[in-house]
Amino acid sequence: GQSLEQPSEVTAVEGAIVQINCTYQTSGFYGLSWYQQHDGGAPTFLSYNALDGLEETGRFSSFLSRSDSYGYLLLQELQMKDSASYFCAVRRRDSSASKIIFGSGTRLSIRP
Amino acid sequence: DAGVIQSPRHEVTEMGQEVTLRCKPISGHDYLFWYRQTMMRGLELLIYFNNNVPIDDSGMPEDRFSAKMPNASFSTLKIQPSEPRDSAVYFCASGAGIYSGNTIYFGEGSWLTVV
Repeated sequence: GQSLEQPSEVTAVEGAIVQINCTYQTSGFYGLSWYQQHDGGAPTFLSYNALDGLEETGRFSSFLSRSDSYGYLLLQELQMKDSASYFCAVRRRDSSASKIIFGSGTRLSIRP
Repeated sequence: DAGVIQSPRHEVTEMGQEVTLRCKPISGHDYLFWYRQTMMRGLELLIYFNNNVPIDDSGMPEDRFSAKMPNASFSTLKIQPSEPRDSAVYFCASGAGIYSGNTIYFGEGSWLTVV
């Protein structure tokens, strides 16, 4: 089977930096992704790490360590609009399948 | 591109009724996923298709649920008979070149309430 663990809630201050961690257990690992979901909306893709290291996209960065089965999403210069739920997701290869499985999500609340 | 289109956006139905949710994936995408989201269980993968063929339906909760993809531009998720515990947001998502990344694109979801 597979599992992903991430904190259920994180609170941060506007303008600050926040890190959301994700640990995973899965076989046939093909990469870690991050998705953002605002209340009432659909998940939208943020970033993808196939290899170890840091990927940067504007204010958002994502990191992966395959040896540690660990990754994180880093959000800088937080804005109120960043208040949302953030999901890590892994793609797992079964014998003839390729599933994308999501973690339970981290709700990020931002205070002025 | 219009993105993934789902219908209906909202549905309220009585227990025992049949519910059919519809999805039009992004043109050219060869993977289609159905997810269910609830507060208790998060985002669950129900079933996914590759080139219109169901690949893995191990997430389908029980025989009351069925999904079809008769062609590359249309898929349905059917619940018959519906029960209150089926109340959730059902998302359809599509993706292309899945082996080159984990990027999938979600529709706006179908909000189902079974009373």
